[in-house]
Amino acid sequence: DAGVTQSPTHLIKTRGQQVTLRCSPKSGHDTVSWYQQALGQGPQFIFQYYEEEERQRGNFPDRFSGHQFPNYSSELNVNALLLGDSALYLCASSLGRTGWLRRQYFGPGTRLTVT
Amino acid sequence: AQTVTQSQPEMSVQEAETVTLSCTYDTSESDYYLFWYKQPPSRQMILVIRQEAYKQQNATENRFSVNFQKAAKSFSLKISDSQLGDAAMYFCAYASSGQGAQKLVFGQGTRLTINP
Repeated sequence: DAGVTQSPTHLIKTRGQQVTLRCSPKSGHDTVSWYQQALGQGPQFIFQYYEEEERQRGNFPDRFSGHQFPNYSSELNVNALLLGDSALYLCASSLGRTGWLRRQYFGPGTRLTVT
Repeated sequence: AQTVTQSQPEMSVQEAETVTLSCTYDTSESDYYLFWYKQPPSRQMILVIRQEAYKQQNATENRFSVNFQKAAKSFSLKISDSQLGDAAMYFCAYASSGQGAQKLVFGQGTRLTINP
C-alpha cells in the first residue's frame, strides 16, 4: 500500500521564477492538505483540497495556488518566488470530509531553495 | 486565532528512562482535537497520539501517553522506556472541529535526543 508521495524531493529556483510541486495521496484517500515548514519551525497550513475544491486556505498570498485532479493527486504552484519561500513543503492526505481530524498521513516533503 | 506553544526547544533523556514534553494552547472553543506528531530526520511526519477534547480520559498508545488538562489548556506527552528510535522533532498540534476549519495548527517543536 503506497503511502503519500511527493515530487520532486529537492529543487532550487531563482527569485521571480515559478514552481510546481506534486503530491499523490495515500491509496484510497481523497483529501489533500499542504503545509509550509520553514527551517526550525512547525508546519504552517497553506490550503486543503477535497473533491477538487479548495475547502480552506491559510494565511498565504495569492502567489500560492493549488489544484486537485480527479484521481485526487494535487499540485501546489508558487509564482514570483521570494527568498522567504525557501522551506520544506509537506503534503498530507486523509479520507473524507472529516478524516483529517482522525489522522493525516504526511509525505516526505519537497525541499525548495530559492536563491 | 488558535495558537500552540511548545516551551522546550530541546530535551534529552537517557535510553530506557521517561521524558515529558510540554505543550500549551490557546482557544476559545470547547470542542477540538489535539495531536502529537513526530518528525524524524527522514522528514516524514508521523502521528504519535491523538486526544479528543470532549474525552476526559487521557489517550495512550503503548509507551506514549498524554496528560490533558483542558482547564489549563495543557497537553503534555510522556514517553516511557525511551528508545533510540524515539529521537526526533516532536510537534504538538491543534485542530478545531468547527465548520470551515480544516487545518492543523502546529507548535514550534521540541527536539528530543536519546542518550545511549
